[in-house]
Amino acid sequence: GAVVSQHPSWVICKSGTSVKIECRSLDFQATTMFWYRQFPKQSLMLMATSNEGSKATYEQGVEKDKFLINHASLTLSTLTVTSAHPEDSSFYICSASRRADEQYFGPGTRLTVT
Amino acid sequence: EDQVTQSPEALRLQEGESSSLNCSYTVSGLRGLFWYRQDPGKGPEFLFTLYSAGEEKEKERLKATLTKKESFLHITAPKPEDSATYLCAVQSVSNFGNEKLTFGTGTRLTIIP
Repeated sequence: GAVVSQHPSWVICKSGTSVKIECRSLDFQATTMFWYRQFPKQSLMLMATSNEGSKATYEQGVEKDKFLINHASLTLSTLTVTSAHPEDSSFYICSASRRADEQYFGPGTRLTVT
Repeated sequence: EDQVTQSPEALRLQEGESSSLNCSYTVSGLRGLFWYRQDPGKGPEFLFTLYSAGEEKEKERLKATLTKKESFLHITAPKPEDSATYLCAVQSVSNFGNEKLTFGTGTRLTIIP
């Protein structure tokens, strides 16, 4: 149980375009979903937290107009990177939680902006 | 600001050679300390959550312990399949009232057959 999927697993896009990443909890309802970014050989950095039906809360330094998060249901959250630039290339990972003492992570999405 | 420091950065062991990974932390209001395993190009896989000093949890060849300032992940008689990056994270409540994980940079463990 507690499986989280992400789609796509990798994506290449051109600078200036937008890309959407989906995160789904497959076998449980997630009251909270989290989005992280991980650069090579660095730690996971929390970008934002979203609760179903409410606006996401963003960590300091994360541009909310650039990284749009929608948590439309208890099993789906999406992250849209708008007007992507090469510096946005990274590994984006979501996690889902049904209780405060657990977070289950998706497999990640590798974004490359050319 | 919550901080997590993991050491060593990388560790190479012979198969069967036991060792420990360290995670030291500073946090305002620890809600839990998490250990994850991460394979290259994949998301973290949950291993343990510890809540209070003195607590221990075991899973196969892994045992996690917690004090007020640090946590250890002991690996006993490791096998090559235990090779991975092991991540430690502390959970606290953010300024927005959400549960938040702050991760360390991990220990990259390699088990040599």
